[in-house]
Amino acid sequence: KQEVTQIPAALSVPEGENLVLNCSFTDSAIYNLQWFRQDPGKGLTSLLLIQSSQREQTSGRLNASLDKSSGRSTLYIAASQPGDSATYLCAVRQDETSGSRLTFGEGTQLTVNP
Amino acid sequence: EAQVTQNPRYLITVTGKKLTVTCSQNMNHEYMSWYRQDPGLGLRQIYYSMNVEVTDKGDVPEGYKVSRKEKRNFPLILESPSPNQTSLYFCASSPYFLGQRDYEQYFGPGTRLTVT
Repeated sequence: KQEVTQIPAALSVPEGENLVLNCSFTDSAIYNLQWFRQDPGKGLTSLLLIQSSQREQTSGRLNASLDKSSGRSTLYIAASQPGDSATYLCAVRQDETSGSRLTFGEGTQLTVNP
Repeated sequence: EAQVTQNPRYLITVTGKKLTVTCSQNMNHEYMSWYRQDPGLGLRQIYYSMNVEVTDKGDVPEGYKVSRKEKRNFPLILESPSPNQTSLYFCASSPYFLGQRDYEQYFGPGTRLTVT
């Protein structure tokens, strides 16, 4: 059974820092990996989707990498801002027989201090 | 605006009183799904549907029912809610094309349910 772990569980940084969030998964046979952002009282917002054949994806100040063989992904946030404060979740999609189910990590709660 | 909507956003109810949480998407997505989010357990899938009239169980289906009579709607039904169903519920949708694997899932804003 796929398990997804995110480290650290919480992170507090001063504004302007570059930071890395980590995600690891136990079964490397994934179809894709998706990073989400969750704000209190709101739903999940998709940030980046990395296909199984890709090594990384970039969107603005965000860069996500994927190393399938080692079961790891990282989300790099450059020049962090207070508005980046949120919980970041990674999720993997296993295969079509699982009905496109996403297996989520528990998230990293990020606080960026002004 | 492309979106997934859920209603109600907040609900407090009592044990045993049937309730329905609605989910609707305007993106013509084939695939829809329900998740619950609990502290220490993360998000877990309850039920999913790959198209109209096609539904299947996820990881934690006990105590829930779903239906998919129209492509845009995927209601979650709790026939006899119990306190252990107190949770934050999310509906999600995405395109689904057999053989294609790579697409994003879009999530609704969540429904916070409390069963007393």
